[in-house]
Amino acid sequence: AQRVTQPEKLLSVFKGAPVELKCNYSYSGSPELFWYVQYSRQRLQLLLRHISRESIKGFTADLNKGETSFHLKKPFAQEEDSAMYYCALLPGNQGGKLIFGQGTELSVKP
Amino acid sequence: DAGITQSPRHKVTETGTPVTLRCHQTENHRYMYWYRQDPGHGLRLIHYSYGVKDTDKGEVSDGYSVSRSKTEDFLLTLESATSSQTSVYFCAISDRRGEKLFFGSGTQLSVL
Repeated sequence: AQRVTQPEKLLSVFKGAPVELKCNYSYSGSPELFWYVQYSRQRLQLLLRHISRESIKGFTADLNKGETSFHLKKPFAQEEDSAMYYCALLPGNQGGKLIFGQGTELSVKP
Repeated sequence: DAGITQSPRHKVTETGTPVTLRCHQTENHRYMYWYRQDPGHGLRLIHYSYGVKDTDKGEVSDGYSVSRSKTEDFLLTLESATSSQTSVYFCAISDRRGEKLFFGSGTQLSVL
């Protein structure tokens, strides 16, 4: 079965520290993976997708098929990064069903 | 923000009553989704639609039904609400098979 696991419910770091939000997936095919973010009082929105290999707001994520992971990283956290982050998997054989993980709340302290 | 609105924004209802949540879009996107958000569970897919009158179940579809009679509207119905359906419900739309979802503001539903 397809599954996305985010092992940390809450991650708390100080401003300027590196951040890594973990995401592991279970899927036998070729995955498409995404990170979504929900800032306080804002709508959930797409942060980045692995296929674009882009950096958004200083965040990057690399797909590691061997470890079935798609961890989100940022070298220097900022207070405005505080938000709820969701990793999501789009299975290739199930239409448009996007499967989300449990979410990780990132808190960046001054 | 993409043109997507959910109604109502908040609702309190009693166990056993039917409830319908509405999602309306002005983007003419093909795909529409209903998710529920619960602490510890994240976002779980209830149902989604890949076209008018074309719907499919998600991972937590029991107790829910949907209808999509036109492109712009996707209705979620709780036939007989239960307390376990107390949650925040999000609608989302996409024009390309789930590749980039745009979310609504959510509906806070409380079933007493």
